[in-house]
Amino acid sequence: DTGVSQDPRHKITKRGQNVTFRCDPISEHNRLYWYRQTLGQGPEFLTYFQNEAQLEKSRLLSDRFSAERPKGSFSTLEIQRTEQGDSAMYLCASSLKTGGYEQYFGPGTRLTVT
Amino acid sequence: AQSVAQPEDQVNVAEGNPLTVKCTYSVSGNPYLFWYVQYPNRGLQFLLKYITGDNLVKGSYGFEAEFNKSQTSFHLKKPSALVSDSALYFCAVRDIAHSGAGSYQLTFGKGTKLSVIP
Repeated sequence: DTGVSQDPRHKITKRGQNVTFRCDPISEHNRLYWYRQTLGQGPEFLTYFQNEAQLEKSRLLSDRFSAERPKGSFSTLEIQRTEQGDSAMYLCASSLKTGGYEQYFGPGTRLTVT
Repeated sequence: AQSVAQPEDQVNVAEGNPLTVKCTYSVSGNPYLFWYVQYPNRGLQFLLKYITGDNLVKGSYGFEAEFNKSQTSFHLKKPSALVSDSALYFCAVRDIAHSGAGSYQLTFGKGTKLSVIP
């Protein structure tokens, strides 16, 4: 399968713990995006990378959130000191730099904070 | 700021009948418009896009959408619905400034649940 992959698919954690999610984009895509989706809502943009550079960050990305894409390939999203309000589906997407209008999404990581 | 409205939370249609899922948008520049479909426990799948050119765009699985600039709409359509089309549909927009610059983020609507009744 050559689509976007995310790991883990599900994560249950206790409030106050740190969690990290991984995203592997489609291999030739150099743009990578993170979104968050809560029940009954559409995805909301969190951040965007072109290669290893983080070029856009949403106001939703509080100080407890950090994303990296160290070698311009896979990306990680870390949430520190999780809160119950962080419970959501975290989606990763990727696109081509040239003509890459549409974004291709992974299956998501569902986070439950208890 | 860009925004998307999907006025119907749910659309029910009989199998074989035509379907329409509505979307309106608001941008400050020019819109790039997209439709995605989400099946249970799966990620979003890209269906079609409008970037420029012909206002009627065709996409995957027999879906099409019509861009209407004056009404700021981008409704999704299919001539004959299948039970397998039952899913959650999302409209999304990207705002492109007249200079060609702009954010790469997509802004999504809240989604419309399509139920095709056998």
